[in-house]
Amino acid sequence: DFQMTQSPSSLSASVGDRVTITCRASQGIGNSLAWFQQKPGKAPKSLIYAASSLQSGVPSKFSGSGSGTDFTLTISSLQPEDFATYYCQQYKTYPLTFGGGTKVEI
Amino acid sequence: EVQLVESGGGLVQPGGSLRLSCAASGFTFSDHYMDWVRQAPGKGLEWVGRSRNKANSYTTEYAASVKGRFTVSRDHSKNSLFLQMNSLKIEDTAVYYCVRVGDGYNLAYWGQGTLVTVSS
Repeated sequence: DFQMTQSPSSLSASVGDRVTITCRASQGIGNSLAWFQQKPGKAPKSLIYAASSLQSGVPSKFSGSGSGTDFTLTISSLQPEDFATYYCQQYKTYPLTFGGGTKVEI
Repeated sequence: EVQLVESGGGLVQPGGSLRLSCAASGFTFSDHYMDWVRQAPGKGLEWVGRSRNKANSYTTEYAASVKGRFTVSRDHSKNSLFLQMNSLKIEDTAVYYCVRVGDGYNLAYWGQGTLVTVSS
């Protein structure tokens, strides 16, 4: 199975900060990488797919980059509604696998 | 608007069975891959299984942890996706999400989830 490793597992930030989350795949996955946001008690929400494509309706403060094994999610200016847990996920091969999550806290 | 509504969760004893349903609307059901993803209490996300679209004969894929015990199927007349879960284990306790796969094979749209608790 392809292992997905996120770092950090948690971070503290302030409103207005620029935040970067890293995801590393155990093997090359091209650009078959997605990012999700999940708030407590809610379903995950798709943010980014194909490593850098913004899901429809997602604000442009979210951006993704990378290919192969190393990927990043950046939030350009953190707002109160952005405090959540973020997951990366590869869909290059079965089984689809997720990173362990990054909790973004105030 | 894409809508996915799961139902059928509840409390079941170890070794028991449960069938989850997902009612889909707002898109052509037969055109899209559909997945199940689960999340154990306080844990991360785990992909469970997939039903490919009509063009790919609705073939299926499963995670190793559920293969042989869980079955993904569809009722085309009702635009519904199902997850038949047999031989349930305590570690199958989770919120189960129905997910529509996007054109780029990403997990694009998620239902609100249904909780399955396996306990004696």
